[in-house]
Amino acid sequence: AQSVTQLDSHVSVSEGTPVLLRCNYSSSYSPSLFWYVQHPNKGLQLLLKYTSAATLVKGINGFEAEFKKSETSFHLTKPSAHMSDAAEYFCVVSDPNAGNMLTFGGGTRLMVKP
Amino acid sequence: KAGVTQTPRYLIKTRGQQVTLSCSPISGHRSVSWYQQTPGQGLQFLFEYFSETQRNKGNFPGRFSGRQFSNSRSEMNVSTLELGDSALYLCASSSLITSGARDEQFFGPGTRLTVL
Repeated sequence: AQSVTQLDSHVSVSEGTPVLLRCNYSSSYSPSLFWYVQHPNKGLQLLLKYTSAATLVKGINGFEAEFKKSETSFHLTKPSAHMSDAAEYFCVVSDPNAGNMLTFGGGTRLMVKP
Repeated sequence: KAGVTQTPRYLIKTRGQQVTLSCSPISGHRSVSWYQQTPGQGLQFLFEYFSETQRNKGNFPGRFSGRQFSNSRSEMNVSTLELGDSALYLCASSSLITSGARDEQFFGPGTRLTVL
């Protein structure tokens, strides 16, 4: 069975400082991994995805994530936080051995202080 | 291209009633998935439909059901509503599933269901 653990339920940073949202996964096969963002009262928007190509994945709005198989991690980073980045972020795994169903992490709420 | 639309956006029901939620996928997308989002349980997969057939099902009771029409629009139904069914129900659509990888899912804004 696959699972996703987001290590921090809340992260608070100051505007202009780096962002790190941590994600560890468990999968019996080579998974596809995603990060989605959800702003209040909105649906989920894809930030980036890893599908066994380059291990460093660049997404929208300056976010990127690095797939580390040895650490089973897929942490999300951004060099400089912006106020508009305040939202909830979800790490997601899709396991082809599980019918490509998506399994979501518990979410990390990012707060950005001025 | 229009995004995923869900109707209604908000719904209030009482225990024991039933409810039907609707989802219109992005044009050309044949896969529609449904998710339940609650503060306590997070985002949980309900089921997925592809070309009018249920492909995958999550771990929810039989009170939760769905269907997909020939135009790929999908509905989900919850019968005999319970207080715990109060949640944001999200629908997502994607294009053909390629082997070994999941195509990006595009999410709608959700239907917020409140059960009193």
